[in-house]
Amino acid sequence: ETGVTQTPRHLVMGMTNKKSLKCEQHLGHNAMYWYKQSAKKPLELMFVYNFKEQTENNSVPSRFSPECPNSSHLFLHLHTLQPEDSALYLCASSHVGLAGTGELFFGEGSRLTVL
Amino acid sequence: AQTVTQSQPEMSVQEAETVTLSCTYDTSESDYYLFWYKQPPSRQMILVIRQEAYKQQNATENRFSVNFQKAAKSFSLKISDSQLGDAAMYFCAYRVDSNYQLIWGAGTKLIIKP
Repeated sequence: ETGVTQTPRHLVMGMTNKKSLKCEQHLGHNAMYWYKQSAKKPLELMFVYNFKEQTENNSVPSRFSPECPNSSHLFLHLHTLQPEDSALYLCASSHVGLAGTGELFFGEGSRLTVL
Repeated sequence: AQTVTQSQPEMSVQEAETVTLSCTYDTSESDYYLFWYKQPPSRQMILVIRQEAYKQQNATENRFSVNFQKAAKSFSLKISDSQLGDAAMYFCAYRVDSNYQLIWGAGTKLIIKP
């Protein structure tokens, strides 16, 4: 596989469920991101990992818990979500540093519906 | 505060014609990058074009070109010879050189009429 792969593509969960979103990048990048995309709103950056270390956490509620076990994999653990958390969750990767342009490469997203 | 504004929620254009999508941004920085990303209905966001603020020459990529007006903080995207495959959401984004974070506009939905 190439690029950035996200699973599952669609997820429906109840407010008391626990689920996880997975992202894998095959581009050799050193940074990975979780974004939330809601209709008619700018993308919201949730978390950034650079070299597996979390460098950004934009005031995301604790019901979202990221995990980055290595530079190629990124997870978003979900628990006790609210209906307003329903959105498209996008994973992205990039190469940052002197040799990097910072261009983001995105996965196709995981469409989350919270009932 | 750094913001990106796309004033056109939706645009439509006849196939083979030219369309321009507008984007303005607010920043006090002098070194930064500007991007246009495209998100087709299949949802995977891809980079269309990138402009470095220190470059005076407008970036071009085949049928896509930008009109970068640094003083006016304007960064519009022109699509020439529009094709059905250009139908998508287009997002303008801004990044300070030293920061990972992109600041995004709300997007413009581009409709191509056959």
